[in-house]
Amino acid sequence: QLQLQESGPGLVKPSETLSLTCTVSGGSISSRSSFWGWIRQPPGQGLEWIGTIYYSATNYSPSLKSRVTISVDTSKNQFSLKLSSVTAADTAVYYCAGGGGGGLSTKFDYWGQGTLVTVSS
Amino acid sequence: SYELTQPPSVSVSPGQTASITCSGDKLGNKYACWYQQKPGQSPILVIYQDNKRPSGIPERFSGSNSANTATLTISGTQAMDEADYYCQAWDSGTVIFGGGTKLTVL
Repeated sequence: QLQLQESGPGLVKPSETLSLTCTVSGGSISSRSSFWGWIRQPPGQGLEWIGTIYYSATNYSPSLKSRVTISVDTSKNQFSLKLSSVTAADTAVYYCAGGGGGGLSTKFDYWGQGTLVTVSS
Repeated sequence: SYELTQPPSVSVSPGQTASITCSGDKLGNKYACWYQQKPGQSPILVIYQDNKRPSGIPERFSGSNSANTATLTISGTQAMDEADYYCQAWDSGTVIFGGGTKLTVL
């Protein structure tokens, strides 16, 4: 059973870069059948997809694409999120997630517990 | 960009059947999946590929998808099913979530 755990600062200043890491345990991040992603949820609101990575191929939300980078570190069994030029609108619980399928069959089978990131000076 | 529309809220009496819809252009040509999220918890996948249940999900959860609407059905709804439910699909390299539906069991 895969387990995912987010880590990173809970407070980021406006205009700076938000950086989070997701550590995967119970399986290899290099599995051919798995892809990895980040989803966020502003307080009291719904889920928003940020992006996914499959091997080194990435897909990003069109609304965030210019500010987002997702990468994988296979040596540490981790993947990471960087979101630049943050504003208060980026305040949210950030989830890392893993899934199988891909394409039309994309689904997120495993989720981290989520980490609240607040953007404030 | 592709959008998925859900009703903000649905109410159901215990033991009755709850239906939550998710609408999108030609959604029936894609796969829909559904997540359950209880307050303060991470989402849990309850239905994938329209009507498949992951291991551990009770049989009372079922799904369908046709034309422009996917439906999550909960038969014999229990108090523990009270939660927010989100549909999700994939379109042209992007993942789309519906806005979510709050299911109230009263």
